[in-house]
Amino acid sequence: DVKVTQSSRYLVKRTGEKVFLECVQDMDHENMFWYRQDPGLGLRLIYFSYDVKMKEKGDIPEGYSVSREKKERFSLILESASTNQTSMYLCASSTTTSPQYFGPGTRLLVL
Amino acid sequence: RKEVEQDPGPFNVPEGATVAFNCTYSNSASQSFFWYRQDCRKEPKLLMSVYSSGNEDGRFTAQLNRASQYISLLIRDSKLSDSATYLCVVNIMDSSYKLIFGSGTRLLVRP
Repeated sequence: DVKVTQSSRYLVKRTGEKVFLECVQDMDHENMFWYRQDPGLGLRLIYFSYDVKMKEKGDIPEGYSVSREKKERFSLILESASTNQTSMYLCASSTTTSPQYFGPGTRLLVL
Repeated sequence: RKEVEQDPGPFNVPEGATVAFNCTYSNSASQSFFWYRQDCRKEPKLLMSVYSSGNEDGRFTAQLNRASQYISLLIRDSKLSDSATYLCVVNIMDSSYKLIFGSGTRLLVRP
């Protein structure tokens, strides 16, 4: 079974704080993804990575950065959290031909 | 026009009913198609891939119509536990591993 884990299920941060969300997969998948999901807007891709140290912007990268130093780990960084970044953050991984498998999500509240 | 469009529902059906969801996609070059299921406040989970010839998994049948660019999901003998949001997912033309998610169709199965 594919296992994708995320560092926190719930997180509360203050405006301006730097936030780290970490994702780990144990299936040796090449590709990893960060999405956010908001009511009425569905899943939106923030960043993805197809290899170690490689990253590509998704549809809504502004205000976010990512890091992939190891194949199994993909981090999402909010440099200076803002209230409009309150959301559910979902990490996923896949091979080049498989569907994507998701972690349990992190609910982030920025006050 | 959205790349993947679904009727948001909700579809409210009695136990034992047969229910069908449709989804249309805009990119005729898309090659991979999936249905995901998402329970309230949980991550999306792969329900089934959709193959050109159609495929069945127990009570679930998926069909693909490339000419009309739509995908369908049929659920027979609905169970209370089928209540969830069903996401239609297609790949992006220029990348075999980037996926576009529909906003989902909500299903409520009542006793």
